[in-house]
Amino acid sequence: DAGVTQSPTHLIKTRGQQVTLRCSPKSGHDTVSWYQQALGQGPQFIFQYYEEEERQRGNFPDRFSGHQFPNYSSELNVNALLLGDSALYLCASSFVGREGHYGYTFGSGTRLTVV
Amino acid sequence: KNEVEQSPQNLTAQEGEFITINCSYSVGISALHWLQQHPGGGIVSLFMLSSGKKKHGRLIATINIQEKHSSLHITASHPRDSAVYICAARSYNTDKLIFGTGTRLQVFP
Repeated sequence: DAGVTQSPTHLIKTRGQQVTLRCSPKSGHDTVSWYQQALGQGPQFIFQYYEEEERQRGNFPDRFSGHQFPNYSSELNVNALLLGDSALYLCASSFVGREGHYGYTFGSGTRLTVV
Repeated sequence: KNEVEQSPQNLTAQEGEFITINCSYSVGISALHWLQQHPGGGIVSLFMLSSGKKKHGRLIATINIQEKHSSLHITASHPRDSAVYICAARSYNTDKLIFGTGTRLQVFP
């Protein structure tokens, strides 16, 4: 049973470009959360998708947008890339239970470098 | 002040030593996660705690809800334990994970 799959693993983009990162959740999971981890820092919450809608959002500008598909997979889009967007982007999947989200499982991340 | 604080930030040890990493949080939580991140980025979930203590192999995690504090212990540390250990608090109100900045552990033979 595959865990969380993220693609691509590494990516280099030029400032001003747009990028799309992809995440396939663990089988049985219905919720995808995206995090940005700058070098030497803990992950920062970007947003969470459940039932194809953005349910929660962290302190990130509108340049960061996402989507969830009917098969629960998700995309993270970043427009007008800045050098400061260079980071490891982590996806975590979970499932909604009676008292919240369970089974948090993380992908290996996509390392984005903006030059 | 961060809502989730970890200490120490960096830790070096000799193989065989007993390791303790601490995590304090200021938010109301429904659970606390201990995660392991190796170079390259992939994160592995070690424990999820809402009370008491859990043990898996040489790893032990404890949580004191009243004191808003959790610890991760590694007994008989080994070089392969070298990694960044991150605690993440699951907010009771929002159900979001709030991460600490991590503790970088290096175990030397």
